[in-house]
Amino acid sequence: ETGVTQTPRHLVMGMTNKKSLKCEQHLGHNAMYWYKQSAKKPLELMFVYNFKEQTENNSVPSRFSPECPNSSHLFLHLHTLQPEDSALYLCASSQGQGGEGGELFFGEGSRLTVL
Amino acid sequence: SQKIEQNSEALNIQEGKTATLTCNYTNYSPAYLQWYRQDPGRGPVFLLLIRENEKEKRKERLKVTFDTTLKQSLFHITASQPADSATYLCALQADSSYKLIFGSGTRLLVRP
Repeated sequence: ETGVTQTPRHLVMGMTNKKSLKCEQHLGHNAMYWYKQSAKKPLELMFVYNFKEQTENNSVPSRFSPECPNSSHLFLHLHTLQPEDSALYLCASSQGQGGEGGELFFGEGSRLTVL
Repeated sequence: SQKIEQNSEALNIQEGKTATLTCNYTNYSPAYLQWYRQDPGRGPVFLLLIRENEKEKRKERLKVTFDTTLKQSLFHITASQPADSATYLCALQADSSYKLIFGSGTRLLVRP
């Protein structure tokens, strides 16, 4: 148990579907992140929220839409995805930004398959 | 462009030996370097953080070195155990930045 919970753990969707990934952290952290992990590739930072304000959008296509209603919850809304979007989507949180206190606590991930 | 290189080939060692994993970077001046462990199908787990002005850091059987001249970090696991088998990721961070840039990771296999 890492203190960061992601649901669902597995998701299969068609290209025309709309679905959402959910993340909740119980650590009292201020920053939350979405990362994408594809096979044989490094983790790619997608979005960063600090005190529920978006501070980073790493050139992510608009078919991915994040939402952060408060410092404990983070969503990733998915719409008209492509098969190449199939990956492990990881949510993380951190107490601070950078340096000591900036280490990330990850959830177990949501494995997404787009048919 | 910024680049982080970790050996893509798996490191296969005998139980009890010291495992040494390498992280090299170019076109980057990180203030902090972190190491994570990732098991198959799981999220990464933070292990150690080292600052640019620290040469070495230890935690139990783990040791990390950081050489900003060579642009390299070494990650050592002494007295390795089969339970240490996992993928190990290094990640670099600029000063006061939330952007953590990850390497692709190196898979470690410890044979009993």
